[in-house]
Amino acid sequence: QQKVQQSPESLIVPEGAMTSLNCTFSDSASQYFAWYRQHSGKAPKALMSIFSNGEKEEGRFTIHLNKASLHFSLHIRDSQPSDSALYLCAVKGGPGGFASALTFGSGTKVIVLP
Amino acid sequence: SVLLYQKPNRDICQSGTSLKIQCVADSQVVSMFWYQQFQEQSLMLMATANEGSEATYESGFTKDKFPISRPNLTFSTLTVNNARPGDSSIYFCSSRADKYEQYFGPGTRLTVL
Repeated sequence: QQKVQQSPESLIVPEGAMTSLNCTFSDSASQYFAWYRQHSGKAPKALMSIFSNGEKEEGRFTIHLNKASLHFSLHIRDSQPSDSALYLCAVKGGPGGFASALTFGSGTKVIVLP
Repeated sequence: SVLLYQKPNRDICQSGTSLKIQCVADSQVVSMFWYQQFQEQSLMLMATANEGSEATYESGFTKDKFPISRPNLTFSTLTVNNARPGDSSIYFCSSRADKYEQYFGPGTRLTVL
């Protein structure tokens, strides 16, 4: 069964700083790697995702995947108070198609201080 | 994308009672997933529900405690039987429009007294 772990558990950063979040997974056949963001009292929503090794940048956000080391990360450049939220990494295993649900990490609570 | 609606938004019930949570999708979806989330923690997958078949439950969740129905491709209900204070959490339904990204309903916040 897929195991997904995140670090750190929580993070406080000043406005304008870089925020870095980490996620490890156990199933080397995993196909889809994503970060979800959940603001307080709201539903989780996909932030960005990656399928193959390397980096992907979208605005202030960069996701990096290294399948060989079973690790991916999220970096937020120029962090803003509006980035304060619970960040959940998510992984989809190899088989299963539509019927295979995402497995989520334990979450990192990020607070960006103005 | 898929829009998911849940009701009720929140509920407060007494220990030992049962309650139903409904989830409706704005389009037909193959699978619906139910997740449980305790305060600002991870999303725990409870079960996967496909139309016309019994839901598949994850370890720690049972059909007797959390029966799930999926009568058609846009609707699912989760029932919490014999509710206990330890069941107090947020319940989310989720689904996807393709093989990968999942969308979530707004959640149902349950408090069991």
